[in-house]
Order: sequence, then C-alpha cells, then structure tokens
Amino acid sequence: DSGVTQTPKHLITATGQRVTLRCSPRSGDLSVYWYQQSLDQGLQFLIQYYNGEERAKGNILERFSAQQFPDLHSELNLSSLELGDSALYFCASSVEWGSTDTQYFGPGTRLTVL
Amino acid sequence: GQQVMQIPQYQHVQEGEDFTTYCNSSTTLSNIQWYKQRPGGHPVFLIQLVKSGEVKKQKRLTFQFGEAKKNSSLHITATQTTDVGTYFCAGDGAQKLVFGQGTRLTINP
Repeated sequence: DSGVTQTPKHLITATGQRVTLRCSPRSGDLSVYWYQQSLDQGLQFLIQYYNGEERAKGNILERFSAQQFPDLHSELNLSSLELGDSALYFCASSVEWGSTDTQYFGPGTRLTVL
Repeated sequence: GQQVMQIPQYQHVQEGEDFTTYCNSSTTLSNIQWYKQRPGGHPVFLIQLVKSGEVKKQKRLTFQFGEAKKNSSLHITATQTTDVGTYFCAGDGAQKLVFGQGTRLTINP
C-alpha cells in the first residue's frame, strides 16, 4: 500500500459525458501527478500540482483539467469523453516537486467509455 | 523535448534465464529511477541512481547508471515468476520525471 488513494476504482460512462477522478496523496506529500496509461502502453504524464499550484504540464488534452485543493487532494476532470479516453488513470505523489523525488502511485482508476 | 527510450519493449524468457532492459536518454540526467508494475497493479518505485557509473544491487536485480549519465540498465539474474511485470525507467527532464515506455517481462515457468 503506497498511501495514495484514488476513487473510484472503476468508472464506466458514455461518450460525451464528464467524469471526475479523485486522488489523495500520501500524508506529507505536497506534489500530485496525473498519468494516463492506455492498454499495453506506457505512462503518459498529464499534469503536476505542487501545494495547490500547477507545476508542470504534459500532453493533457484541453478537454481535461485538474486542480489541487487546500487539503492537497486533487481531482482530474475529463469532459466530452471519447472512446479513446478509455484508460487507466494513475495519480502519484511525492514530497517535493523536483525530478529527483520518488513518486508513489495510487491503485489507479480504470475508465471505460462506451 | 527530452526523451527516455527503453528497449526491448517486450521480453519473454524461460524461468531461470537472465533478463536485461536498457534505458537511454537524449540528454544527460541528474538521476534515473526504476519502477516495476505488476500485471493489474500500479508502478512501484524500485531504486534511484544518481552518480556516474553507479551500480546498485537488490538481491537478483542489478542496476547501472552509465558513465555519461545518459543510459541505464536493469539486469535480473535467474528470473523467477515473481519478476513478471513491466519495468519502467524514468529520468529527469524539464523539472519533471519522464518515463520510458517500459519493458514488459513475461516468464515461462
């Protein structure tokens, strides 16, 4: 158990809909990262927040947005969903924001868009 | 942008055989990290290498960081079925970790 929690574990929805994925980082971690992993693919970095502020951005679509709240939990919002958005979405956390920090991954949310 | 390439993408071995995955960066890295993702699981941190030429061992796993700090390797001696999974390397790029595409290891018992 990494100490990072993600809800829900599974999500099934239809094209065009909007969903929100939630992540709670490990106690004491200030950074939260979101990754997308499609079937048999690597980890695609989406976005990073540090202490409530956006820190780094990856290949995140304009239909996707995220935020980190004062209690440090984070939400990833996916809208106008398409079939291709079906994937495993991981949240990770680390103590600080740097590239030398170890990242601790949550169990993931499996999103299925029908 | 900075890229981290991993080869091979897939590797199938007989139990007891050795396994190696290689990681190459287009730029010099300050550190490299290795993660393992079991089937159906999430990536789990294995190790971090920081120094040029560094070699670290964890039981049957040997991790190396190249002298130029642009490449790394993970070698598993005498694989066991518990080694099955995808191994990712990750290097720093633009103030964030950049993950390689991973090497999926499958093992024939």
